[in-house]
Amino acid sequence: AQSVTQPDIHITVSEGASLELRCNYSYGATPYLFWYVQSPGQGLQLLLKYFSGDTLVQGIKGFEAEFKRSQSSFNLRKPSVHWSDAAEYFCAVGASNTGKLIFGQGTTLQVKP
Amino acid sequence: GAGVSQTPSNKVTEKGKYVELRCDPISGHTALYWYRQSLGQGPEFLIYFQGTGAADDSGLPNDRFFAVRPEGSVSTLKIQRTERGDSAVYLCASSSGGGVTEAFFGQGTRLTVV
Repeated sequence: AQSVTQPDIHITVSEGASLELRCNYSYGATPYLFWYVQSPGQGLQLLLKYFSGDTLVQGIKGFEAEFKRSQSSFNLRKPSVHWSDAAEYFCAVGASNTGKLIFGQGTTLQVKP
Repeated sequence: GAGVSQTPSNKVTEKGKYVELRCDPISGHTALYWYRQSLGQGPEFLIYFQGTGAADDSGLPNDRFFAVRPEGSVSTLKIQRTERGDSAVYLCASSSGGGVTEAFFGQGTRLTVV
């Protein structure tokens, strides 16, 4: 069955520190992978996506993610976190024929001043 | 419109009542999706429309839930005989085509069943 696991429910980092959010997926075919961010009262915003090609993808707001097929992972990284990055982050895998997304349960990021 | 619009933003209803949630997708987007997000969880897929037809409704939890998109643009999610367990944020997304492309999400309708 298709699934996405985000092992960390809650992460706290200091402002300026680096960040890595973990994502593991289970999908029978070539995965199409996404990271979305959801701020309080806001809709889901796409940070970045991986369809094919270079396994290191760059996104908005200084985020990047690396696709590792051997580990079934698509971890999100940022070298230096800003207070405005505090939000809920969701990893998702997309079905190639319909585009429907299967989401992980999310990771809440708290940023300490 | 500029983005995906969902109305109402909040809806409180009594158990057993019928509710309708509306989604206005981005103009020209042929694909439309409904998701449900319970507290502390990621969004869960409900139904996918390509044009006017429901191409995948495998996520609808039971026959109390129904969705339509009669003219291929606006969609309405309908819930009959609401239950307290239906309380959640209902998200709508649209994209420019079938298959995997970037989906744009609305801000959701928060449904509370009391």
